[in-house]
Amino acid sequence: AQKVTQAQTEISVVEKEDVTLDCVYETRDTTYYLFWYKQPPSGELVFLIRRNSFDEQNEISGRYSWNFQKSTSSFNFTITASQVVDSAVYFCALSGPTGANSKLTFGKGITLSVRP
Amino acid sequence: DAGITQSPRHKVTETGTPVTLRCHQTENHRYMYWYRQDPGHGLRLIHYSYGVKDTDKGEVSDGYSVSRSKTEDFLLTLESATSSQTSVYFCATTWDGSYTFGSGTRLTVV
Repeated sequence: AQKVTQAQTEISVVEKEDVTLDCVYETRDTTYYLFWYKQPPSGELVFLIRRNSFDEQNEISGRYSWNFQKSTSSFNFTITASQVVDSAVYFCALSGPTGANSKLTFGKGITLSVRP
Repeated sequence: DAGITQSPRHKVTETGTPVTLRCHQTENHRYMYWYRQDPGHGLRLIHYSYGVKDTDKGEVSDGYSVSRSKTEDFLLTLESATSSQTSVYFCATTWDGSYTFGSGTRLTVV
């Protein structure tokens, strides 16, 4: 069975601080995909990144970066120089290989508040 | 964007009444999903479909049924709504491992 653990439930930072959101996963699949989604107060789910299990390279997109480490089954997300607009709930998620087992399992989410 | 439309966007219903939520997609994607989102639980899978008339249960399927008679429509039915089914419901599709979500349906059972 798949499992995603986001141990942090709420994080509050002051604008311009860096913040890291932790994600630990469990799976028996050798091929799998990891995701991060953002849910702003408006409620929609915004896709941020998908990473497959064979690509452990870190990813950077503007102020966002992701650290994937298979050795620790972690896929952590860092926001550099946080802004008020980053305030949202962030979900880490895991899916198996594409096909009939392609189901997305979510963590419980981390509520990030960025104060001016 | 897979063009997913959920309807209704908001609904208030009484305990014991049947409710059907609709998910409509325009991209001919094979796989469709229904999730519910509750505080402290994240999103949990209710049911999913891997083709017309092919559906299966997720982790929180009790009290829900689904139907998929056409590729583009995936219906979620609460046969007799209960207050514990007050939630935000999201539909999603995928075809290449990338998931696209609808805007959600906020259901309140009073």
